[in-house]
Amino acid sequence: KNQVEQSPQSLIILEGKNCTLQCNYTVSPFSNLRWYKQDTGRGPVSLTIMTFSENTKSNGRYTATLDADTKQSSLHITASQLSDSASYICVVRGTMDSNYQLIWGAGTKLIIKP
Amino acid sequence: DTAVSQTPKYLVTQMGNDKSIKCEQNLGHDTMYWYKQDSKKFLKIMFSYNNKELIINETVPNRFSPKSPDKAHLNLHINSLELGDSAVYFCASSGDRISGNTIYFGEGSWLTVV
Repeated sequence: KNQVEQSPQSLIILEGKNCTLQCNYTVSPFSNLRWYKQDTGRGPVSLTIMTFSENTKSNGRYTATLDADTKQSSLHITASQLSDSASYICVVRGTMDSNYQLIWGAGTKLIIKP
Repeated sequence: DTAVSQTPKYLVTQMGNDKSIKCEQNLGHDTMYWYKQDSKKFLKIMFSYNNKELIINETVPNRFSPKSPDKAHLNLHINSLELGDSAVYFCASSGDRISGNTIYFGEGSWLTVV
């Protein structure tokens, strides 16, 4: 069964600290993996996309990694800011066919405290 | 300028009523979606339209009927509302469902059925 599991479920850290969020998936065949940021009361916004051949990709203070062999991805946030408080959702896309699938994780709720 | 806009943002209604949520995108995208986010925070796709044609219907009850008058609009009509329909409904769009383009989400419509 195609699944995406994220950990931790929630995380509280102090402003300025780093953190790493995890995503494990069983989606196969694999096409790509995205990390979305969803602020409270808003729609998700794409942070980064990882394809099979990519191991690391950065977007400002966000760095995503992908290990396609172990089917794991991580999102590392450096020097956290209050505005990073949000839910971070991992989404895995199955390979192209007439009805491709996006499998959404439940998200990690990150709270940054001053 | 809002890329994907949906109305209303909040809707409280009684069981058995019929309601509609409207969505418009000004990105020139060919594909539009409706997602449902329940209390467990999973985002589940309901419908996908590509150039006014339905291409995904993920076993959604037939009380839910999407209507796409043109490729910039995808409205969601719900008949005979039930308590379990309470959720946040997100409209979204992307340039191409095959290539895995970024999905852009609206702000969400909070539906509460009492």
